Amino acid sequence: AQKITQTQPGMFVQEKEAVTLDCTYDTSDPSYGLFWYKQPSSGEMIFLIYQGSYDQQNATEGRYSLNFQKARKSANLVISASQLGDSAMYFCAMREMNSGYSTLTFGKGTMLLVSP
Amino acid sequence: DAGVIQSPRHEVTEMGQEVTLRCKPISGHNSLFWYRQTMMRGLELLIYFNNNVPIDDSGMPEDRFSAKMPNASFSTLKIQPSEPRDSAVYFCASTFTVRQPQPQHFGDGTRLSIL
Repeated sequence: AQKITQTQPGMFVQEKEAVTLDCTYDTSDPSYGLFWYKQPSSGEMIFLIYQGSYDQQNATEGRYSLNFQKARKSANLVISASQLGDSAMYFCAMREMNSGYSTLTFGKGTMLLVSP
Repeated sequence: DAGVIQSPRHEVTEMGQEVTLRCKPISGHNSLFWYRQTMMRGLELLIYFNNNVPIDDSGMPEDRFSAKMPNASFSTLKIQPSEPRDSAVYFCASTFTVRQPQPQHFGDGTRLSIL
């Protein structure tokens, strides 16, 4: 079974609108971290936002926020007021703390296109 | 602050040649990861070092691939001999492994093309 599932291969949004990118995860580890990365067409992987499994509040970083629903095992990324520069591939990833490793498990990604 | 530095950014070589990719992690980070990204397979973890020691190399495709981390500030990924199917973007990432999850910070990647 996949540990990270991103069900949207591609998403379209108009500039200045908000968009939600879905991510569900599967783990039996009570302690874990969830991460979102952005990969623009230039290729680099940019860390955006992090949510810990014990965090009481949803993470926010500027226009990025994470809609964390622990019972549903979802960690959706919300981008408010989309900009043309937000067009990129977005990856959700998870680290399970009790696995003993620092490795991240990545989803397959969602391609976001922002139109003028 | 300097991020993860990878070299070269691009490499084009003929099959059969030896290829060496280099990585300098962020100073103070104690974990280093090598990934490969292709359209078909997405992002794959090749090998992971903690405190310069290889912890998990189960993702290394075959014996043609080898990785070393001789000190805390340098790692190499070597492919010998290279094959066209090795063409991909190779990323190095580093993090500071503690009890709380920390993000991995990625280099800009090496785009490798084997002709």
